[in-house]
Amino acid sequence: KAGVTQTPRYLIKTRGQQVTLSCSPISGHRSVSWYQQTPGQGLQFLFEYFSETQRNKGNFPGRFSGRQFSNSRSEMNVSTLELGDSALYLCASSVGDIFYEQYFGPGTRLTVT
Amino acid sequence: AQSVTQPDIHITVSEGASLELRCNYSYGATPYLFWYVQSPGQGLQLLLKYFSGDTLVQGIKGFEAEFKRSQSSFNLRKPSVHWSDAAEYFCAVGAGQTGANNLFFGTGTRLTVIP
Repeated sequence: KAGVTQTPRYLIKTRGQQVTLSCSPISGHRSVSWYQQTPGQGLQFLFEYFSETQRNKGNFPGRFSGRQFSNSRSEMNVSTLELGDSALYLCASSVGDIFYEQYFGPGTRLTVT
Repeated sequence: AQSVTQPDIHITVSEGASLELRCNYSYGATPYLFWYVQSPGQGLQLLLKYFSGDTLVQGIKGFEAEFKRSQSSFNLRKPSVHWSDAAEYFCAVGAGQTGANNLFFGTGTRLTVIP
């Protein structure tokens, strides 16, 4: 079974631009969660989508948004990029119920200049 | 609020030596606990998990962890470290209404293995 895939793997954007990251979960998984990883703040939960609905949200500004499609693929959008948004963005998929673990993709490395 | 503490930022062990990475969590109810490993430039790989039942859990690559409710700890152990175990290790707790789908991570412990 194929793992979680994320595209693109690397991105360079300019401050003020917006960016969209994509995540394809493991086949059959209905939950997709997004995390931001930075050297200063570590790994932080952004949000979780389940059956096309945001089920959980972390403590990030409204510039960070996401959505999930009917095939469980998910996208994450960051508008008005700031230098501090430079990070590794990780997507994780899960069956969807609470007693199942998450499996992570390789991440998208976003650099904001 | 839930939180995870990994007190050791960096640990160095000799190949073949035993390993213990510490993890303490804060959460009011029974937590869902995980250990993940991350190699440079890679995503996170799940080593093992604890949801309920037997407090000693076995994982991949010869790792095990023990859940101790009285100490709010979930320490990771390996009896004999291999050079390929050098990586960053993260302890995480899953909480909230969606349990394991909303993880809070510790700051990580970087493991260096010397020959």
